[in-house]
Amino acid sequence: QVQLREWGPGLVKPSETLSLTCGVSGDSITSAEYWGWIRQSPGKGLEWIGSVYRGGSTYYNPSFRTRVAISIDTSKNQFSLRLSSVTAADTAIYYCARDLRLAVVRGVVTGWFDTWGQGTQVTVSS
Amino acid sequence: DIVMTQSPDSLALSLGERATINCKSSQSLLYNSNNKNFLAWYQLKSGQPPKLLIYWASTRESGVPDRFSGSGSGTDFTLTISRLQAEDVAVYYCQQYFSIPYTFGQGTKLEIK
Repeated sequence: QVQLREWGPGLVKPSETLSLTCGVSGDSITSAEYWGWIRQSPGKGLEWIGSVYRGGSTYYNPSFRTRVAISIDTSKNQFSLRLSSVTAADTAIYYCARDLRLAVVRGVVTGWFDTWGQGTQVTVSS
Repeated sequence: DIVMTQSPDSLALSLGERATINCKSSQSLLYNSNNKNFLAWYQLKSGQPPKLLIYWASTRESGVPDRFSGSGSGTDFTLTISRLQAEDVAVYYCQQYFSIPYTFGQGTKLEIK
């Protein structure tokens, strides 16, 4: 079965860039179409940050659009998140997940997250 | 964005009792073209990966115990745990996938009394 694991710095300074990677094991990352990042912060619960298609196209939550970048490296079976200009409000547990898009609404493909990583705590502090 | 509101924020029940968690969306999640509700439920336990419980509002994910059930349509949905067990202590979230961006409820914390 597919397993996901996130890694990256647990402490990031304000105004700097948060960088996390999610490794996929148990299957090829191209076996699924979409992979996503979600975070859980004390004040805001779960927030979808964005998703990447196996071909490299990206879909972002408008709340993050100006400072987020998600990429995929199929040769390494992993995908990554970069969030720039971080503040204390970006302190959260960051999860990667398989974005299982089996739904279509007015031509837009959507879905749910069926497999998640363990999550990694990122704290923004000087 | 579709706003998802859960109630209650927390719940404390005895083992064997029925747990009911509600989720309300700011607009209907029922798509008339396929008559399906675009709602999922998740269970988050400390130190474990979040777990998908329910999708299409009432379809149980493979391997999820049948004491978990989802119901509702349109804007009002319910997750029910029929006989509470100790391992059900967690935070439960609903998620809509009717429109992008995906949005989640604020979570309901379930504890044992």
